[in-house]
Amino acid sequence: DAGITQSPRHKVTETGTPVTLRCHQTENHRYMYWYRQDPGHGLRLIHYSYGVKDTDKGEVSDGYSVSRSKTEDFLLTLESATSSQTSVYFCASSGGPTDTQYFGPGTRLTVL
Amino acid sequence: GENVEQHPSTLSVQEGDSAVIKCTYSDSASNYFPWYKQELGKGPQLIIDIRSNVGEKKDQRIAVTLNKTAKHFSLHITETQPEDSAVYFCAASTAGGSYIPTFGRGTSLIVHP
Repeated sequence: DAGITQSPRHKVTETGTPVTLRCHQTENHRYMYWYRQDPGHGLRLIHYSYGVKDTDKGEVSDGYSVSRSKTEDFLLTLESATSSQTSVYFCASSGGPTDTQYFGPGTRLTVL
Repeated sequence: GENVEQHPSTLSVQEGDSAVIKCTYSDSASNYFPWYKQELGKGPQLIIDIRSNVGEKKDQRIAVTLNKTAKHFSLHITETQPEDSAVYFCAASTAGGSYIPTFGRGTSLIVHP
């Protein structure tokens, strides 16, 4: 498996607090992605990156921001968490947009 | 943008039976169609993919077929085993867009021993 890790794996926070999720990959992949997974909705793209400091929005980007200062790290930030952002978040990486995406183990976020 | 519909949402079969999961896509420019398997508590993992210049691809008990005219593609699993129980996602990638795959909503496959 590709070396892709996420931290933390579980987090419980309160509405209105900032939250940052971290994704780290050791494959030197150019592309990295953040998805959220909710029952009945499958995997929905939040943001993706196609290089250091190069990011773009996905279909559910409202309330989220991202940063990529190094090839190996991709951060997802919820500036002010809301209960609707309770979800499982997956990070993925790939060499190119139509190359195999390798997924991390996921972060379960609960916003109370 | 691309829209991917996946059916059924749940599929229950007996061990040894075949399972078929179907997806349709909306953008005729899509040319890359991966399938991912997600086991409980884990991230999705690619199991097979197909590109638009190929009509069928097989890998042991798994096969994917593509009908570009009808804009649909299917995953076929033969001789199912309990370890095939998982959620399966299809995806489609549009050549004329960002190329980022759009995922279907997933199919929960349950294989009964």
